[in-house]
Amino acid sequence: GAVVSQHPSWVICKSGTSVKIECRSLDFQATTMFWYRQFPKQSLMLMATSNEGSKATYEQGVEKDKFLINHASLTLSTLTVTSAHPEDSSFYICSARDGRGGAGPLRTGELFFGEGSRLTVL
Amino acid sequence: AQSVSQHNHHVILSEAASLELGCNYSYGGTVNLFWYVQYPGQHLQLLLKYFSGDPLVKGIKGFEAEFIKSKFSFNLRKPSVQWSDTAEYFCAVILSGGYNKLIFGAGTRLAVHP
Repeated sequence: GAVVSQHPSWVICKSGTSVKIECRSLDFQATTMFWYRQFPKQSLMLMATSNEGSKATYEQGVEKDKFLINHASLTLSTLTVTSAHPEDSSFYICSARDGRGGAGPLRTGELFFGEGSRLTVL
Repeated sequence: AQSVSQHNHHVILSEAASLELGCNYSYGGTVNLFWYVQYPGQHLQLLLKYFSGDPLVKGIKGFEAEFIKSKFSFNLRKPSVQWSDTAEYFCAVILSGGYNKLIFGAGTRLAVHP
């Protein structure tokens, strides 16, 4: 199946610094990528939808100035956690849709997930 | 607000036991339904999905799920679990109406004992 890769897989940073996480679709083009956050023993919470060539769409309660998303190409989206604080420590997961699955109102192309990036803010 | 509910947060079974994990969603429109699995230390993988047609869907590793529209349910089943099925299972939904977002349930942690 299609592959989505995230980098770095683990990052530790000091409070107040910014951290960038990359999400790449390795063998397909993704006009849309999704960023999720997973707290320990909890489900994935959608943070934002990243659209190639346009602004990301953020979910309610997600600070767009805190979590900067850039989708500069059809294979790369980045999430930058700005001025990170310990409460931002979490597991961040991206996913991308392989559009070869077909069009239609529900965009039946399958979603593939990256390995996740664990952020620890000291 | 639309939501996905998984009734069992933690399930413990012995090998060869049958498994059924509940999943209900709250949305009146057309949906796509998914079950994902996350093995310890690994990323999410798709087990099976329902888009349309036969409401009984067969996935990988002997899993199946049945979409019952009248009950807004998409329960996951396996007749005989193995130790290697120990993982966390997530039900997820994509809603129609232009949302095109995958909404996850809280997950069910399954532990299978030999």
